Amino acid sequence: EAQLVESGGGLVQPGESLRLSCAASGFTLTTYWMHWVRQAPGKGPIWVSRINADGSSSEYADSVKGRFTLSRDNAKNTVYLQMRSLRAEDTAVYYCATSMVSQGIWGQGVQVIVSS
Amino acid sequence: QSALTQPASVSGSPGQSITISCTGSSSDIGSYGLVSWYQQHPGKAPKFVIYEGTKRPSGVSPRFSGSKSGNTASLTISGLQTEDEADYYCCSYSGDTSLFVFGTGTKVTVL
Repeated sequence: EAQLVESGGGLVQPGESLRLSCAASGFTLTTYWMHWVRQAPGKGPIWVSRINADGSSSEYADSVKGRFTLSRDNAKNTVYLQMRSLRAEDTAVYYCATSMVSQGIWGQGVQVIVSS
Repeated sequence: QSALTQPASVSGSPGQSITISCTGSSSDIGSYGLVSWYQQHPGKAPKFVIYEGTKRPSGVSPRFSGSKSGNTASLTISGLQTEDEADYYCCSYSGDTSLFVFGTGTKVTVL
């Protein structure tokens, strides 16, 4: 069964960093653009970032631009979201996905809590 | 990027049909057929019920259908069932920003 599994979440203090991983199983990520979406408690999903298939290009929502970096290791079938200078408003469940508007796969999400 | 506009809540009785609207602009929904709809039950990840405007993933009930008119996309659930009670979000590609924008979300209640 094709699936995505996120990991690396947790509780961090404001200003700290965290790296999320998204590992694929049952299929190869190589040909897919990959996305991250986050959802704050009680709120709707917000698109965060995407990276193209070979990792040469990435885009970010204004709210995370300059603080988050998306990368991928196709040999490991894994995508990474490096988050720096974390703020309380970054607290959310983070999901990785192969698509936003076409048929795709979403992970089950990983919790990130930014609090002192 | 501004969120797409959805009604906060829609309700219906079992067996009825309901329609959820998602209003954007000529830069997103109006220009592209790239609209998806997600169903989300409490504590669960969003799940595709419609993608590319009108297509239904395998395994999703044919009671779910999508359409578009102008700058507004719609999700219709026919033959409403108790398990359809959930939050629903639309999502569209935005040509202005080359990014993606979600709707404000609609809570569907089965009376």
